[in-house]
Amino acid sequence: DAGVIQSPRHEVTEMGQEVTLRCKPISGHDYLFWYRQTMMRGLELLIYFNNNVPIDDSGMPEDRFSAKMPNASFSTLKIQPSEPRDSAVYFCASSDDRYNSPLHFGNGTRLTVT
Amino acid sequence: AQTVTQSQPEMSVQEAETVTLSCTYDTSESDYYLFWYKQPPSRQMILVIRQEAYKQQNATENRFSVNFQKAAKSFSLKISDSQLGDAAMYFCATLAPYSQKLVFGQGTRLTINP
Repeated sequence: DAGVIQSPRHEVTEMGQEVTLRCKPISGHDYLFWYRQTMMRGLELLIYFNNNVPIDDSGMPEDRFSAKMPNASFSTLKIQPSEPRDSAVYFCASSDDRYNSPLHFGNGTRLTVT
Repeated sequence: AQTVTQSQPEMSVQEAETVTLSCTYDTSESDYYLFWYKQPPSRQMILVIRQEAYKQQNATENRFSVNFQKAAKSFSLKISDSQLGDAAMYFCATLAPYSQKLVFGQGTRLTINP
């Protein structure tokens, strides 16, 4: 089991550019989550999917953020256009469909927008 | 809405000693789950221990144990025989039943002094 795989590990971009973060969940997991971690706001849930379908995107901060899950083994989080305040660590996590099963997190992507 | 509060931004302990990290939460649910996650410098979020609210017995995992006080809505983590590898950020989190939305506290940074 390779765990949740995120790429890139670090991303530095200029304000206004499009940023795409990628995630491969653990095989067989039905749930996929995107979290954002900042010093000011801690860990925030942005969106989560069940069986590739977005269930709750109420945490997505603005229309500049979008997430997709085209298949069970891949998800993207896109920010367009990016702004300096988007700088954070973005985590992807997955879990199986057992009741209240724990989340397995990836190593995160540290995004810096200059 | 559920909230989680960790009142200790930083804690330190001597190697081999015992340390307790505090966590309080607020929820209107009668049944829920509580978790402690560890985030070492590698950045990955690692599940340390979890507790089902309907269970009176406190969960234990090797050197890690919790003191769950349901009436007081308190969920502290005790680390016995602290080791240098325990140095990390520790996050308390809660999960409502039939929900996949994990709500995190702000974290406590634990330093282990050799």
